[in-house]
Order: sequence, then C-alpha cells, then structure tokens
Amino acid sequence: DAMVIQNPRYQVTQFGKPVTLSCSQTLNHNVMYWYQQKSSQAPKLLFHYYDKDFNNEADTPDNFQSRRPNTSFCFLDIRSPGLGDAAMYLCATSRVGRGRELGQFFGPGTRLTVL
Amino acid sequence: RKEVEQDPGPFNVPEGATVAFNCTYSNSASQSFFWYRQDCRKEPKLLMSVYSSGNEDGRFTAQLNRASQYISLLIRDSKLSDSATYLCVVIQGAQKLVFGQGTRLTINP
Repeated sequence: DAMVIQNPRYQVTQFGKPVTLSCSQTLNHNVMYWYQQKSSQAPKLLFHYYDKDFNNEADTPDNFQSRRPNTSFCFLDIRSPGLGDAAMYLCATSRVGRGRELGQFFGPGTRLTVL
Repeated sequence: RKEVEQDPGPFNVPEGATVAFNCTYSNSASQSFFWYRQDCRKEPKLLMSVYSSGNEDGRFTAQLNRASQYISLLIRDSKLSDSATYLCVVIQGAQKLVFGQGTRLTINP
C-alpha cells in the first residue's frame, strides 16, 4: 500500500546531541512537510519542500534543518535538541495538482524525548 | 486573532446524537479547506475536503461559507468510534496549511 513511513517511531536523545528523523513516501507526492506537535496542541508547520524548493516558516528555529535528497525521502535534523524540542514530529506529503492542494497525508510520527 | 479558530470543546454527546463543529478563518485568500481527525497519540488523518457546494460522506457533512469565512462539520448518528479530536485545516498560499487548535469529541454509550 502506498504510504508515508517515519523512522524511528520513538527517539530518545540527550540534551544537545544531534538527532535525525527520517520520512519516506511511496505516494510519489511532490510536496513534503515537517510538523511539530506538542501535547494538546495543533501541529505546527516547520518547513516544507515543493519538489526541490525548500520553504522555511519564519518562526522555525535555526536549530531545525531539513534535507530532501530525492522525491521519496525527507529528513529532519535537530542540531542541538533542547528540552523544549520534545514533541511528536509529523511528516506529511501532498500532491498539488493544477495549483490546488489536494489534501495531506501524514506519517505515524516520531515521538522525540530529550533527556 | 488566530488564523483558524474552532469551537473550544470538549464536546461530550450520547451515542446516536448529531453534533456540529464550526471553524472560522481570517484570511479571505484561503484556497482549500479540510477536516482532519486525530486519535490520541496518532497522526491526523484526512476526513474530508470542504467545498462551497457542500459535500457529504456517509454520516459526515461539510459546508463552506466563503462570505462569512466559516467551515462546518456535521456528524449524524454519532458512533463511539467517532470519539477523536477534529482539526479544521485551511490552505493559504504556497501550500501553507494552517490548523485550528482542534475540538475534542467524546461519544458516550
């Protein structure tokens, strides 16, 4: 089945130790997103790729970086995680057709714990 | 003012009841609209798109009123499995999704 896959599902890191979260998709969607979601809050968009074009949200900290080496994969790098970065990180994909957003599909998320 | 605002909830309704959620958005240039549901500690899942003409999917009906800038979701004959958080999502330019804060719904037996 076509899907959005995130690895790992649970990640524990130490304060300040870099961590990379991965996302892959078999939907062949042209747009990929990374969201941060904290408990009882709505997902917050960090950045997205439209094909190879990277779009950073203005309030995304510099601590967060992303790479998209090809259509199928996208990575979230957290260079120096702080306690406040503990959250669920959601990857999503979407297909934009004729300039219209056709709905986003989310992966199961990676729950990040920072010790 | 938040870009997307939803009923604060939580909603607790008996099984079989009809429940309605509203959502308002501030950016009149918003292009596309969706309802997602999110179960506890799970990812959001697309429930339905919302069109100006209204659309229905089984027990779920979504409406968009562009003039008043609000979106609604109606759930008829609610089931226990409908218990979840419902997120209103608005697309603004350049594939920017803006989520409402979500409304928690609990269906009671």
